[in-house]
Amino acid sequence: QVQLQQSGPRLLKPSETLSLTCTVSGDSISRSYWGWVRQPPGKGLEWIGYFYFSGSTSYSPSLRSRVTIGVDTSKNHLSLNLTSATAADTAVYYCGRVLLGAMDVWGQGTTVTVSS
Amino acid sequence: QFVVTQPPSVSGTPGQTVTISCSGGSSNIGRNSVCWYQHVPGTAPKLLIYRNDQRPSGVPDRFSGSTTGSSATLAITGLLSEDEADYYCAVWDDGLSGRELFGGGTRLTVL
Repeated sequence: QVQLQQSGPRLLKPSETLSLTCTVSGDSISRSYWGWVRQPPGKGLEWIGYFYFSGSTSYSPSLRSRVTIGVDTSKNHLSLNLTSATAADTAVYYCGRVLLGAMDVWGQGTTVTVSS
Repeated sequence: QFVVTQPPSVSGTPGQTVTISCSGGSSNIGRNSVCWYQHVPGTAPKLLIYRNDQRPSGVPDRFSGSTTGSSATLAITGLLSEDEADYYCAVWDDGLSGRELFGGGTRLTVL
């Protein structure tokens, strides 16, 4: 059974870097595609980006200049870094496994608040 | 404003059939597979349909997906109170160097 456990700071100040980790159990991080999605308060789901097992990535055009998705194969985890955070980045963040073009397994979600 | 459009809300009574539409264009639904998610606020989204009409193991056959042209539809038959949730379609868009698009979401209310 594949499980994703998210961790990371839940409160940060404007201009700081948002950093989240998603630890994978039951699957190898180097064998699948992985992604991040967020949901701002009162809004719908928003795609952030994908990491492909080839090592390549694809990102939302609106976030591309600030976002990095990576993996640590030794820890079997996926990471998300979003620089220069603003209040607009306040959201629930989810990691997920991408299989057959869809996110079939999701992390539990992490509520991140950006506030001074 | 969303490139992939869903109705903001739909409703039905227990036992009824409801459909949720997802309207896109030639660069997304017109050429790539659609998936559907169920999202109960406060929990993680759940995959209901992938590759337009495929159900993951464990998803009841009350849920079905279809596509025609640049539109997709999620149908829920035999509506249950537990189906009350937000539903999102998602599809890859080949424009702008490629991106995943979510529809704006549809709130299903079971009356």
